Amino acid sequence: KNQVEQSPQSLIILEGKNCTLQCNYTVSPFSNLRWYKQDTGRGPVSLTIMTFSENTKSNGRYTATLDADTKQSSLHITASQLSDSASYICVVSARGSTLGRLYFGRGTQLTVWP
Amino acid sequence: DGGITQSPKYLFRKEGQNVTLSCEQNLNHDAMYWYRQDPGQGLRLIYYSQIVNDFQKGDIAEGYSVSREKKESFPLTVTSAQKNPTAFYLCASSPRTSGVGVGELFFGEGSRLTVL
Repeated sequence: KNQVEQSPQSLIILEGKNCTLQCNYTVSPFSNLRWYKQDTGRGPVSLTIMTFSENTKSNGRYTATLDADTKQSSLHITASQLSDSASYICVVSARGSTLGRLYFGRGTQLTVWP
Repeated sequence: DGGITQSPKYLFRKEGQNVTLSCEQNLNHDAMYWYRQDPGQGLRLIYYSQIVNDFQKGDIAEGYSVSREKKESFPLTVTSAQKNPTAFYLCASSPRTSGVGVGELFFGEGSRLTVL
């Protein structure tokens, strides 16, 4: 069964600290993995996309990693800011899938305290 | 600026009423989607459309209907047949319909529907 599991479910950190969010998936065959940031009451916004051949990709203070062998991805946030408080959603796409077949994790709710 | 516009942002409905959520995009994307988001759950696909005048049911289409008469517009009607319609609804579009890049979604700001 194709699934995406994210951990932890929620996380609280102090401003300026680093954190790492995890995404494990069983989607096969794998096409790509995206991380989205969703502020409360807003629509998700794409942060990064990882394809099969990519191990690491950075977007400012966000760094995503992908281990296609173990089917794990992580999102590392460096020097957190109050504006990083949001839900982070992992989305996996299967190769050759129909347009509507994307697999969503439930998200990790990150809270950054001053 | 290019983007996706959803309206209304908040909507209250009495039981037994149909409501229509608007979604308009000026990104010239072919594919459009409707998702439902409930607390603690991942996004669930209601309907999607790859081209004008064509749309497909997603995982939770019961009690919902859509139309795609124009490329820019993909309205969602929540009918009285939907048993638990209170939720946050997200419209999205995608520039790619196949290939490695499929799944790149651009979301609207969402519509929160509350049934009283």
